[in-house]
Formats: sequence, structure tokens, C-alpha cells
Amino acid sequence: NFMLTQPHSVSESPGKTVTISCTRSSGSIASNYVQWYQQRPGSAPTTVIYEDNQRPSGVPDRFSGSIDSSSNSASLTISGLKTEDEADYYCQSYDSSSNWVFGGGTKLTVL
Amino acid sequence: EVQLVQSGAEVKKPGESLKISCKGSGYSFTSYWIGWVRQMPGKGLEWMGIIYPGDSDTRYSPSFQGQVTISADKSISTAYLQWSSLKASDTAMYYCARLLDVDTAIVDYWGQGTLVTVSS
Repeated sequence: NFMLTQPHSVSESPGKTVTISCTRSSGSIASNYVQWYQQRPGSAPTTVIYEDNQRPSGVPDRFSGSIDSSSNSASLTISGLKTEDEADYYCQSYDSSSNWVFGGGTKLTVL
Repeated sequence: EVQLVQSGAEVKKPGESLKISCKGSGYSFTSYWIGWVRQMPGKGLEWMGIIYPGDSDTRYSPSFQGQVTISADKSISTAYLQWSSLKASDTAMYYCARLLDVDTAIVDYWGQGTLVTVSS
């Protein structure tokens, strides 16, 4: 099985841009879609990015996703940070054997 | 509007059994896989397993195989997660989730979560 590694925490000021990485341990990041989920404190997760870079309806275009084959990683970028973006963010992907994996999560602090 | 509504919080003793539920509405319940996700206190998300209510095809993550049972009653659009003998280590929040596609495990809707506390 593969693992997805995320930074434990990131912080940035309101109005700025932050990027959260998600590095795949084995297998190509480009071979299987990456999803990103937001979990605000005390709430259930919600989907902010699916299929690498697609936003569900209702998710602002301040949220964007990308993949980088050279570093075998995916990234979630949030621009124009708002205090309401403060949350835990989880990446998720899978492999050809139907192993579904979440990253360990990244705590975003907007200060 | 698609909704997944889970049953309420539970407090149980070690060794007791438990069945929690997830009721889908606003879509064809038999046409989408439902997954269960565990979140232990202060920890991350873990896939437990999935079920296709249309034919009850069920798949478990290796860590949870034999530890829990996932089922569904399509007549009432409800999926279940059950334990026959709870342990203190089962204390966690449990989420159900609707999957867009079984191979990718992309979730488009989540339930609100059910908190299970196991304590003597």
C-alpha cells in the first residue's frame, strides 16, 4: 500500500495564499485522482476538490487543486484566505487494487 | 437535495453490541456506494469499508475486516455499521459518505457523523 504525506500544520494571514502539499509514497500521483476534504472544527468533512482539480458546486474558486509529477505530489491552494478557511484538510487517493488512502491531514491556521 | 442523516450519539460499555445507521434521501439510494469512515479522537480519517445498496456488495479495508459489519436495507434507504462486541478503542466519530465512483472512492456527500463512546 502507498501513503499520502501532508505537513502537520500551516499558517498564513487573511488575504494571503497558502498551499498544502500531499506527497505519494509509491506509485504515480498522476495515475489516480486526488481529492481534498475540508473539516472545520466540530463538523463533518466536506469535499472541496475532486479529480485533482475539480470544484464541487458551491466551493469558491479561491480553492484550486493541482498535481506535480516531478515531486509525485498534489497540492491544494487557497487564495484570498478568510478566517472561515481555518480547518483541517485531508487529501485522498487510491490505487489499482482499490486501496483507498487518506493523508494524515493538515491543520490550517489563519491568523 | 441529497442528504445522509446518521443516527444519534451512543454511549456503550465494553462488550456490548451496537448498530448505527445512515439514511439517504434526495437520490436513488441503490445507485451509489456508501462508505464508512472512522475518526478517532484528535486523529485523521480512515476508510472502514463500503457497500452498494443495490445488491449489498460489501468490501472492507483490511484493518476493519472481521471487526465490524456493514449492511444496508434498500427498502428504507439506510446503511448500517455494527459491532458485536465493542472495545474502548472503538471510541470515535463515524461518518457515512456517498461515493461518486467505487474505484476512486471520491466522496460527494457526507453524513453529519455519529459519536460512539465506549467506556466502563
